[in-house]
Amino acid sequence: QKEVEQDPGPLSVPEGAIVSLNCTYSNSAFQYFMWYRQYSRKGPELLMYTYSSGNKEDGRFTAQVDKSSKYISLFIRDSQPSDSATYLCAMRRTGANNLFFGTGTRLTVIP
Amino acid sequence: GAVVSQHPSRVICKSGTSVKIECRSLDFQATTMFWYRQFPKQSLMLMATSNEGSKATYEQGVEKDKFLINHASLTLSTLTVTSAHPEDSSFYICSAIPSGDITDTQYFGPGTRLTVL
Repeated sequence: QKEVEQDPGPLSVPEGAIVSLNCTYSNSAFQYFMWYRQYSRKGPELLMYTYSSGNKEDGRFTAQVDKSSKYISLFIRDSQPSDSATYLCAMRRTGANNLFFGTGTRLTVIP
Repeated sequence: GAVVSQHPSRVICKSGTSVKIECRSLDFQATTMFWYRQFPKQSLMLMATSNEGSKATYEQGVEKDKFLINHASLTLSTLTVTSAHPEDSSFYICSAIPSGDITDTQYFGPGTRLTVL
């Protein structure tokens, strides 16, 4: 079993839709959770960073962490064509700085 | 802030040659840098952790003699793919953690696409 599972998609939504991206994980020691956005042939760009359980909002993006279910989500409101990219979840344990990544979900927002 | 660059962005080489990829933190110092490879439609796979002034720590299955890592300064790490073969063709991405960053956030470079003919 992979440590981090993520549906690779692809996911296509119309412009303006709310997008929900999710990851599950198996290691209860993970405490730090991140979402990265990666455009084609580019490096990942940090979008959201959260610690432990709870919600965090930044503009149109909301990250949720449910440690009891080992489930994290990223919501994108009012999606735009420029949001079309691959979204990677990543996580790590306290005291360790190596990240465990999901496979990424490829999102296309259709104008 | 927290910009990481890589050079070159793309390289094509013949089988058997060696290729060096540079990773630089442009506006911060980084005691720790990481090297990943990414195959098409797959996630990032950590190859090694590079610590300034000491030997790199390689992940299981990564040949340290084939993928030479040098982290000689707080702003530069290099990955040299020695005697490259077509199966080494991939997208290589580095990341860096700003020294003193208590969140240990990794900032990624734009990646280097290596094609071995």
